[in-house]
Formats: sequence, C-alpha cells, structure tokens
Amino acid sequence: QSVLTQPPSVSGAPGQRVTISCTGTTSNIGSGYDVHWYQQLPGTAPKLLIYGNINRPSGVPDRFSGSKSGTSASLAITGLQAEDEADYYCQSYDSSLSAVVFGGGTKLTVL
Amino acid sequence: EVQLVESGGGLVQPGGSLRLSCAASGFRFTYSIMNWVRQAPGKGLEWISYISSSSTTIYYADSVKGRFTISRDNARNSVYLQMNSLRVEDTAVYYCVRESGGAYYFDFWGQGTLVTVSP
Repeated sequence: QSVLTQPPSVSGAPGQRVTISCTGTTSNIGSGYDVHWYQQLPGTAPKLLIYGNINRPSGVPDRFSGSKSGTSASLAITGLQAEDEADYYCQSYDSSLSAVVFGGGTKLTVL
Repeated sequence: EVQLVESGGGLVQPGGSLRLSCAASGFRFTYSIMNWVRQAPGKGLEWISYISSSSTTIYYADSVKGRFTISRDNARNSVYLQMNSLRVEDTAVYYCVRESGGAYYFDFWGQGTLVTVSP
C-alpha cells in the first residue's frame, strides 16, 4: 500500500487530455511538501517529468503540466501522443515517516 | 552529460550479501546528494537510502534499516550500497539517483541493476 494514492490506470485517445491524480495526507502533500512526477517508459528507468508541483525540466514538452491543492496533486497531459504511453509516478516527502514517498504508479494507455 | 552507471547486481541466496556500485560522471559529484531507489518486478518505486554530499547524514527506509549500508567515495565519484541479510522481498531493480539540491526530488537516474534473491 503506497503512501500516495494514484489510480492504477487511465486511458485516452490521441489528441485528448488526461489527468492523473495523486492523493496524500496532512503529513506529506498537505504539509506543504512539493509533489514531483516521473515518467517511466516500458523497459527504461524513470525520468523526471515535473518538479516542485508545476515546473518542467528542460526538454519536457509543455503538453505536460502539474498542479497541487491541499492534500492532492494532479498531472495533466494534453494532446496525447502514442509515445506518452508509460507509467507515471508522483512523489513527495512524508514528515511522519521521515522518508521520500511515491505513489503506486498509473499506467497510461493511448487508445 | 550526466551519467550514473550501476553495477554489482546478480543472483544471491536468502541471507546472502551483495554490494552495488554506482559510478557518476558529468556533474559535480562531490557536492551532490545521492540516493538509492528500488523497483520490485511489476511493482512501483520505493526509496531506500540517502547520503549527503559529505556522508555526514544518512537515512534508510525502515524496510532495509539495519541490513543495508550506503556509502560514497568522492575521490572515485562513486556511491555504494552494501546489502546484507538479503530476503526474497529485496528482489528488485536498484536505481542510483541524484537528488536535486536537497529538494527531495530526483533529477537523474541510472539505468538500474537487477538483484534477484532466490533459494
């Protein structure tokens, strides 16, 4: 059972918009700790996608955006492309556990 | 170009030991915070250990505390994970990751090394 809760799967057609939620508690996201997102393409290592809730590293398309409110965060992907098919993980810090924590991951399928 | 290259994975019996290495290049390793993150087959990501740039601060996840030891050699631009008393549930791909300036996120990942613990 992951500390941060994500839906196991989401799907969308090419060109559509999808969102992936990440729900935490008052000891992690709700305490003000930032949320970060990673993309893991099949058979590869995870890659940083969004950091500090809303920021994109250099090279990440602006089709990817992040937001945070209260004890939750979301990743939005617009203009879905086949190459976006991957697993997505949210991550934050938990003060009760004194540990970095991840969501269980969400598998994005592009129909 | 930032590179993190893990090595040392393999097959080991329960109760055995293994030492993972991670060779870093392309950035100022001496000033960087490093971590290990693992991923069991078909499962999600799990943070397991943290080491500060000067090795003065070290943290472990409860799941590995007392069994795993993280260390680094700044002269060799390397970080290590000594894994003792291995259990079947330690089977995973182990990633060496760089933490971005103490901001609790990981901006660069190695390709991972597979550790399989099996009788």
